[in-house]
Amino acid sequence: DGGITQSPKYLFRKEGQNVTLSCEQNLNHDAMYWYRQDPGQGLRLIYYSQIVNDFQKGDIAEGYSVSREKKESFPLTVTSAQKNPTAFYLCASRGELGNQPQHFGDGTRLSIL
Amino acid sequence: AQSVAQPEDQVNVAEGNPLTVKCTYSVSGNPYLFWYVQYPNRGLQFLLKYITGDNLVKGSYGFEAEFNKSQTSFHLKKPSALVSDSALYFCAVRGYNTDKLIFGTGTRLQVFP
Repeated sequence: DGGITQSPKYLFRKEGQNVTLSCEQNLNHDAMYWYRQDPGQGLRLIYYSQIVNDFQKGDIAEGYSVSREKKESFPLTVTSAQKNPTAFYLCASRGELGNQPQHFGDGTRLSIL
Repeated sequence: AQSVAQPEDQVNVAEGNPLTVKCTYSVSGNPYLFWYVQYPNRGLQFLLKYITGDNLVKGSYGFEAEFNKSQTSFHLKKPSALVSDSALYFCAVRGYNTDKLIFGTGTRLQVFP
């Protein structure tokens, strides 16, 4: 079945450590997105990419980095510069037409040890 | 600037009764509007969208939404609630010339048997 796969489902980070969250899609979508979800705050956009080898900062990009080397993959690195990384991270993708909805993976929950 | 407001943190309704989850928006130009549902520790699932045309939009699982341009609202409705509808619901808006989706803070729907 087509869809978006995020791994791992749970991740723990030590102080000063970078961690990378995986997002893979087999929907043949050009656009991909990373969101952070905190209780009571909805979803906030971290980074997005509309095409391979190109990406843009979202509203809360500080302390995060991404790459888009392949159409199907959009990994997110949470760096040690992100001082409050504990959150639920969601990856999404969208098809070509502008009015298409975003499709979401099942998320990665990141916690600090 | 684009924004979405979901004025109720929680909505409680008895099974079999109609339900409404409220959403108002602010966006330049014609909006693209979406409703998503989230179950615990899962990603967001797309329910329905308004792009243009009929103000009453029908979606998945018996849900519908009414677009009201003068009130800038897009309320989610269902004629008869099920206990299994209990979840977190998000309204989202995208402006005509942007790829960013802005989410509301979410409304928790609790359906009691």
